[in-house]
Amino acid sequence: GENVEQHPSTLSVQEGDSAVIKCTYSDSASNYFPWYKQELGKRPQLIIDIRSNVGEKKDQRIAVTLNKTAKHFSLHITETQPEDSAVYFCAASDSGYSTLTFGKGTMLLVSP
Amino acid sequence: GAGVSQSPSNKVTEKGKDVELRCDPISGHTALYWYRQRLGQGLEFLIYFQGNSAPDKSGLPSDRFSAERTGESVSTLTIQRTQQEDSAVYLCASRDTWAYEQYFGPGTRLTVT
Repeated sequence: GENVEQHPSTLSVQEGDSAVIKCTYSDSASNYFPWYKQELGKRPQLIIDIRSNVGEKKDQRIAVTLNKTAKHFSLHITETQPEDSAVYFCAASDSGYSTLTFGKGTMLLVSP
Repeated sequence: GAGVSQSPSNKVTEKGKDVELRCDPISGHTALYWYRQRLGQGLEFLIYFQGNSAPDKSGLPSDRFSAERTGESVSTLTIQRTQQEDSAVYLCASRDTWAYEQYFGPGTRLTVT
């Protein structure tokens, strides 16, 4: 089955800096890669996703890149703000219509 | 509109007791997932329902775990003879048939003493 590794487990940055979270996956059949944000005590929410037919996708301060050859994808947050502080989970699936395999999460702390 | 809801929000039970957790998906969402989230860990897939198809039970950790869903509505996750290692937050998510995004509920925090 699919295995998703996520690094780092914790990340501390100063407000305004950039943050990068990296994930690798094992199943070459995976073609859908979402990122979820979970604030403390809240439910996970989708923030961005990418499908294997593109290499990069951007949404304001958030971007995701995908390298299918190397089987890794990354989340990039620019101009970080304290409200970006949360746990971020990457996931992979062979189809957005089936099950997701999640990474163990990255706790991002943005200090003012 | 109303999001995914779960009940109870918290459940404390004694080791060996059975528990039932409930999930109300977003109306019209045919897909429903259950996940387990242990403290400081990722989301562990348990079971997936899609419409009237047979559920994907490949993530259930033992035969003490089972789940049911009536049509495209409410789902219940049952854990029999609870053990301390079952302590976790149990999250439910639903998804529209032709979309990828899963919408999560607030979770049920289960504590087995």
